[in-house]
Amino acid sequence: GESVGLHLPTLSVQEGDNSIINCAYSNSASDYFIWYKQESGKGPQFIIDIRSNMDKRQGQRVTVLLNKTVKHLSLQIAATQPGDSAVYFCAEVNAGNNRKLIWGLGTSLAVNP
Amino acid sequence: DVKVTQSSRYLVKRTGEKVFLECVQDMDHENMFWYRQDPGLGLRLIYFSYDVKMKEKGDIPEGYSVSREKKERFSLILESASTNQTSMYLCASGGYTFGSGTRLTVV
Repeated sequence: GESVGLHLPTLSVQEGDNSIINCAYSNSASDYFIWYKQESGKGPQFIIDIRSNMDKRQGQRVTVLLNKTVKHLSLQIAATQPGDSAVYFCAEVNAGNNRKLIWGLGTSLAVNP
Repeated sequence: DVKVTQSSRYLVKRTGEKVFLECVQDMDHENMFWYRQDPGLGLRLIYFSYDVKMKEKGDIPEGYSVSREKKERFSLILESASTNQTSMYLCASGGYTFGSGTRLTVV
């Protein structure tokens, strides 16, 4: 069946270091992928997305890499800050399926000062 | 910016009560979604709607219904609340923009 999963359920990094959060997916019939950040008590917040015809996209301090060969997605956060502490989700989107999101379980990122 | 507003941040209801959760979006999106989020289970899709008066079941529709009478409003209804429906409920509009969530406790 379709599934999107995360390799690491928790990640602890030092402030200022770079963080890498990984995600594996199984459904190759997708249009693009989204990374979300969810802070405690809040709804998921869109961070960055990438279309399936791309392999890299950069935003402000974040980079998403897509490797379709091995069905792997990663989110890189540069110079991680305490405010980056949150749970990060990857989600897979299939436009042919009414844009339903297929979610991973999330990775908790803890930034140590 | 797209705004998705959920009417309540916290709700406490009694078992057997009928519960309405409201979600309003201001960007004329056709697609709207209701999820619940539970520790260890991630986000699970309850229902979604791709147009006014249209609805489709998600992965866990049992015990829930929805209403989409106007494009901007998508309501989730718990016909008879049960304790296993205690959860965080999240509405999404256009598929990708979420509200702040409603934490529902059924006692």
